Amino acid sequence: GAVVSQHPSWVICKSGTSVKIECRSLDFQATTMFWYRQFPKQSLMLMATSNEGSKATYEQGVEKDKFLINHASLTLSTLTVTSAHPEDSSFYICSARNTLAGFQAFREQFFGPGTRLTVL
Amino acid sequence: QKEVEQNSGPLSVPEGAIASLNCTYSDRGSQSFFWYRQYSGKSPELIMFIYSNGDKEDGRFTAQLNKASQYVSLLIRDSQPSDSATYLCAVYGGATNKLIFGTGTLLAVQP
Repeated sequence: GAVVSQHPSWVICKSGTSVKIECRSLDFQATTMFWYRQFPKQSLMLMATSNEGSKATYEQGVEKDKFLINHASLTLSTLTVTSAHPEDSSFYICSARNTLAGFQAFREQFFGPGTRLTVL
Repeated sequence: QKEVEQNSGPLSVPEGAIASLNCTYSDRGSQSFFWYRQYSGKSPELIMFIYSNGDKEDGRFTAQLNKASQYVSLLIRDSQPSDSATYLCAVYGGATNKLIFGTGTLLAVQP
């Protein structure tokens, strides 16, 4: 159980275009999903926290108008990179928290396989 | 001071040896501690979590937590070449109420 999928697994696009990445929790409900970005040889950096039915909370320095996040259901969150530029090329990873995990101190997040975005 | 610190490595150990990975964190209110393994080009996969002081063992892996010293470690016994990966320490709770990752330690197990 606790499987998270992402689509697409990789995408190449031209500068100025928009790209949508989907994140799905396949066998559990996730009221909260997280979007991370990872540049080569760096750690995961949280971009935003996505809550079902409400606006996403963005981390400092992340442009909310550039990285549009929609969390329309308990199993789907999308990240749209608008007007992508080469500096947006990165590995984008989503994760989801199982709302039935129970124990309050335990906050395991299940990660999707990631989407590698290359902007030419 | 970084919130979660790890030695970037690489940490090189011979096959069969014990690999010791260390992590320190700055927020004393942190509640849960995680070790993830990340192979190159892949997303992280959870190895272990720990939230009580002391040791927690799972197969070849042992996580150790010392909240007073704000220190968490991961021991890998009988290291295998397939263990070669980047190991990410992640800390949850405290002021941020978010999962904060360290920069990771690259482990290389030599056959």
